[in-house]
Amino acid sequence: GDQVEQSPSALSLHEGTGSALRCNFTTTMRAVQWFRKNSRGSLINLFYLASGTKENGRLKSAFDSKERYSTLHIRDAQLEDSGTYFCAAPRTGGYKVVFGSGTRLLVSP
Amino acid sequence: GALVYQYPRRTICKSGTSMRMECQAVGFQATSVAWYRQSPQKTFELIALSTVNSAIKYEQNFTQEKFPISHPNLSFSSMTVLNAYLEDRGLYLCGARTGGGQNTLYFGAGTRLSVL
Repeated sequence: GDQVEQSPSALSLHEGTGSALRCNFTTTMRAVQWFRKNSRGSLINLFYLASGTKENGRLKSAFDSKERYSTLHIRDAQLEDSGTYFCAAPRTGGYKVVFGSGTRLLVSP
Repeated sequence: GALVYQYPRRTICKSGTSMRMECQAVGFQATSVAWYRQSPQKTFELIALSTVNSAIKYEQNFTQEKFPISHPNLSFSSMTVLNAYLEDRGLYLCGARTGGGQNTLYFGAGTRLSVL
């Protein structure tokens, strides 16, 4: 079935540094959404993309439906960025949404 | 803008009892609502998809008898976890989508269920 491979599963960053998360899709997805789960368990919507790139502060996301991947870039990481990040994508032509397995990010001083 | 609210945000219930959670769409018409569960150490599993004026479709391993869902109008859905046990612990996420070719999914912040 449709799958989303999210990597890395865990990531440690020092404050001020940056990195990228990636989701690879086994089939064509119409869009992608990125979330962050904070320490209290709340899911925070970060981006919704049907194509191209979006940027919001220190976060930037890109989605290539044809190449079947999406990325989330974090720059100048701050302590409050710590949490688990998920990508999710609705299947083309359907309502089912598939989630990545999550990336646990820890930002340290 | 489009928002989805879920409540309660956190809840605790005794083993064997039931717990109802709600999902409210604001700023758009939720023609379809999907309920997910993230169990500890796992990714989100789709429980069921509810589309207004259509039968609710449950995924394998999830049943109406265990997770009855109500989707009475275009702004509200609720799901009950009946006879909750430890394996039902987790974060329950509601995702709502409008129709008419719009594919944007809006997610609530989830209801975290703990079972004692």
